[in-house]
Amino acid sequence: AQSVTQLDSQVPVFEEAPVELRCNYSSSVSVYLFWYVQYPNQGLQLLLKYLSGSTLVKGINGFEAEFNKSQTSFHLRKPSVHISDTAEYFCAVISRMDSSYKLIFGSGTRLLVRP
Amino acid sequence: DGGITQSPKYLFRKEGQNVTLSCEQNLNHDAMYWYRQDPGQGLRLIYYSQIVNDFQKGDIAEGYSVSREKKESFPLTVTSAQKNPTAFYLCASSIVLAGALDEQYFGPGTRLTVT
Repeated sequence: AQSVTQLDSQVPVFEEAPVELRCNYSSSVSVYLFWYVQYPNQGLQLLLKYLSGSTLVKGINGFEAEFNKSQTSFHLRKPSVHISDTAEYFCAVISRMDSSYKLIFGSGTRLLVRP
Repeated sequence: DGGITQSPKYLFRKEGQNVTLSCEQNLNHDAMYWYRQDPGQGLRLIYYSQIVNDFQKGDIAEGYSVSREKKESFPLTVTSAQKNPTAFYLCASSIVLAGALDEQYFGPGTRLTVT
């Protein structure tokens, strides 16, 4: 079964600094990867997804991620963060179960942007 | 506007009582999901349904029940058998394309507190 590891539970960073949130997945033939963001007491919102094609994926709010098959990674990056980016970020991978599919989520990384 | 609604936002119950959480979507999605979120544990799948009148257990189905009588509705009942029901519950839906899974759209969540 597929799995996802988010190595950092919390990442503090100063406003306007760059940030990278790390995500590693278990290897598989076909991989479909997602990054979601969750603001306090809200549901999850899709930031970006990788299904196939270009390994550099651009998402909303200036975020991007790079699919690296050799390192089984899908790290999320932003060149300059804002206070409003403070939230929890989840990496997820599709896993096949019998005749259907489900999303497997990492444990999340809390991004804390300081002024 | 299309989306997913969950009600209520906050719910309080006494131990030993069953409680039903509402989830409605007007996105015309076939698949719907219920997740439980606890601090530091990411999201865990409780139940999912890919078609009306059919649903499957997820990873932590014990103590929960669901129904899928209409395409747009997927209510979750937290029964008295659930040992630790206090959590944040998220409902999601997605299109199922040729048997594969596309991104999931999430509702705003219901925070259940059982005392």
